[in-house]
Amino acid sequence: AQSVAQPEDQVNVAEGNPLTVKCTYSVSGNPYLFWYVQYPNRGLQFLLKYITGDNLVKGSYGFEAEFNKSQTSFHLKKPSALVSDSALYFCAVRGASNYQLIWGAGTKLIIKP
Amino acid sequence: DAGVIQSPRHEVTEMGQEVTLRCKPISGHNSLFWYRQTMMRGLELLIYFNNNVPIDDSGMPEDRFSAKMPNASFSTLKIQPSEPRDSAVYFCASSLVDGGEQFFGPGTRLTVL
Repeated sequence: AQSVAQPEDQVNVAEGNPLTVKCTYSVSGNPYLFWYVQYPNRGLQFLLKYITGDNLVKGSYGFEAEFNKSQTSFHLKKPSALVSDSALYFCAVRGASNYQLIWGAGTKLIIKP
Repeated sequence: DAGVIQSPRHEVTEMGQEVTLRCKPISGHNSLFWYRQTMMRGLELLIYFNNNVPIDDSGMPEDRFSAKMPNASFSTLKIQPSEPRDSAVYFCASSLVDGGEQFFGPGTRLTVL
């Protein structure tokens, strides 16, 4: 069965430092992977996706994610964190049904000035 | 495009009352999803429509919940009668293709007293 895990409930990073939000997945077949961000009292916003091609995917707001097939990971990264990056981040993988996204539990990212 | 539109943004009602949540997907998107988000259970898929037809309603918690999509630009989620445990944020999302990125509305925060 398709599944996705975000092992950290919360990540704390100082402003200006690099950040990583972890995601691991389990799929049968080729993975379709997504990252979303949710700011307080807002809907989820699409950041980036991996379907095929280059393992390093660039997305919105300076975020990127690295697909690692051998480690079944799709970690979200940013070279220099901003306080405004503080939000809830969700990793998702396309389910076996093709239309459904299987969602991680979310990771709260806190960037401290 | 205005994105996915949901109304109302906030709804406070008393137990036993009927609640209707509304959604207008992005024009041209043929897939529509209703989600519920709570602290305890995270993001749950309630129902999925494709080309206005309900495809998967396995996530609808019980018969008190119903959803319709009378045309490509409008969907409703109805709870009758409402109960305090229905209190949550309800999101509508749409996508252009199955398994592709989903675009979320701002959500409706429902409080049932």
